[in-house]
Amino acid sequence: GDSVTQMEGPVTLSEEAFLTINCTYTATGYPSLFWYVQYPGEGLQLLLKATKADDKGSNKGFEATYRKETTSFHLEKGSVQVSDSAVYFCALSDPVDFGNEKLTFGTGTRLTIIP
Amino acid sequence: GAGVSQTPSNKVTEKGKYVELRCDPISGHTALYWYRQSLGQGPEFLIYFQGTGAADDSGLPNDRFFAVRPEGSVSTLKIQRTERGDSAMYLCASSPQAGGAANYGYTFGSGTRLTVV
Repeated sequence: GDSVTQMEGPVTLSEEAFLTINCTYTATGYPSLFWYVQYPGEGLQLLLKATKADDKGSNKGFEATYRKETTSFHLEKGSVQVSDSAVYFCALSDPVDFGNEKLTFGTGTRLTIIP
Repeated sequence: GAGVSQTPSNKVTEKGKYVELRCDPISGHTALYWYRQSLGQGPEFLIYFQGTGAADDSGLPNDRFFAVRPEGSVSTLKIQRTERGDSAMYLCASSPQAGGAANYGYTFGSGTRLTVV
């Protein structure tokens, strides 16, 4: 079945540091890939997505590129801020197994940015 | 409403009791989803409604879990004879799309944290 493997946390960085959170996947079909973010006390929010190979999703300074050859979708940001502290989830939807209706999530990576 | 509303935000119940968790989706959203998130894990799919009908309930763990959406808007997740292993955050999401909803992005609620003691 489909699965998402995410970099283990927690991750603690200083403000303005470079961030990478690794994500790899296995899927039956040709999936769409997502990063969701959960800020303290809030619901999950879509951060960015990519629906085909070599697409780059970007939002709020975060980027991730859909790499089919390495089955990866790593999240990056050049200079993190304290406000980026949250839990980040990599996820996929698979047109073959689930008709792109359901999301399969990774376990989440807790990011803490210290001033 | 402006967002997906879930009530209660916290629920503590005794083992063996019955609980109901409510989800009020964004007005006009036809697709509604329930996910369960255990501590330290990502959300796991439970059930998906398109309108009033459950289009896919393959994620429900056993027959103690049931969900309804009688008028195609508000949904209730019902858990009978609760067990300590049912303790988790229960998330609801909605989408305006009739198909391929995940590609358009769900809107999630803040969840109901269920604790079975």
